[in-house]
Amino acid sequence: NAGVTQTPKFQVLKTGQSMTLQCAQDMNHNSMYWYRQDPGMGLRLIYYSASEGTTDKGEVPNGYNVSRLNKREFSLRLESAAPSQTSVYFCAGGPISYNEQFFGPGTRLTVL
Amino acid sequence: AQSVSQHNHHVILSEAASLELGCNYSYGGTVNLFWYVQYPGQHLQLLLKYFSGDPLVKGIKGFEAEFIKSKFSFNLRKPSVQWSDTAEYFCAVNGGNDYKLSFGAGTTVTVRA
Repeated sequence: NAGVTQTPKFQVLKTGQSMTLQCAQDMNHNSMYWYRQDPGMGLRLIYYSASEGTTDKGEVPNGYNVSRLNKREFSLRLESAAPSQTSVYFCAGGPISYNEQFFGPGTRLTVL
Repeated sequence: AQSVSQHNHHVILSEAASLELGCNYSYGGTVNLFWYVQYPGQHLQLLLKYFSGDPLVKGIKGFEAEFIKSKFSFNLRKPSVQWSDTAEYFCAVNGGNDYKLSFGAGTTVTVRA
């Protein structure tokens, strides 16, 4: 099992460009999450999907959109990237009955 | 809304020293508590978790944590650290059946050989 996978691992964008971060899990988790990690701020939840077909905003959703394509895949889209979105993005999955989450390797995004 | 506070931003230790990292949370109801570790260049891994029962929880790699409900605390401990324990440590909490985890800012631990 690969667990939670993310692509790409690194990305550099110019301000105003768009891109989609991909996340897939093979652990049959119902819930999936997108976080951003910034120095001194821990991880902050951007969006989550409690189950296939549902998505909800987290703590810092502005400037992002998500799609829960199916049970395995949960993508994060930046429609018009801004320098403030320079961060490391982590995807996670978790079972519905317990709240432990399993994390992917992260995507390091730089917006110039 | 719940919040998590980690007391130390950066801790520097020598090998074989004991480690204790503080974590306090604010939430009035039932909580689930976690410690995650992030080794350099790697993703977050679960060290240990508390849902209910014995408030002293043992995790991987010799780590343990104690839940003290009256103090809203979940401190992480290891009696004798190794160089390989150099990492960033995050405390996280969610309340009851809430899917959302709230993370502390993290503590960077540097162990000197």
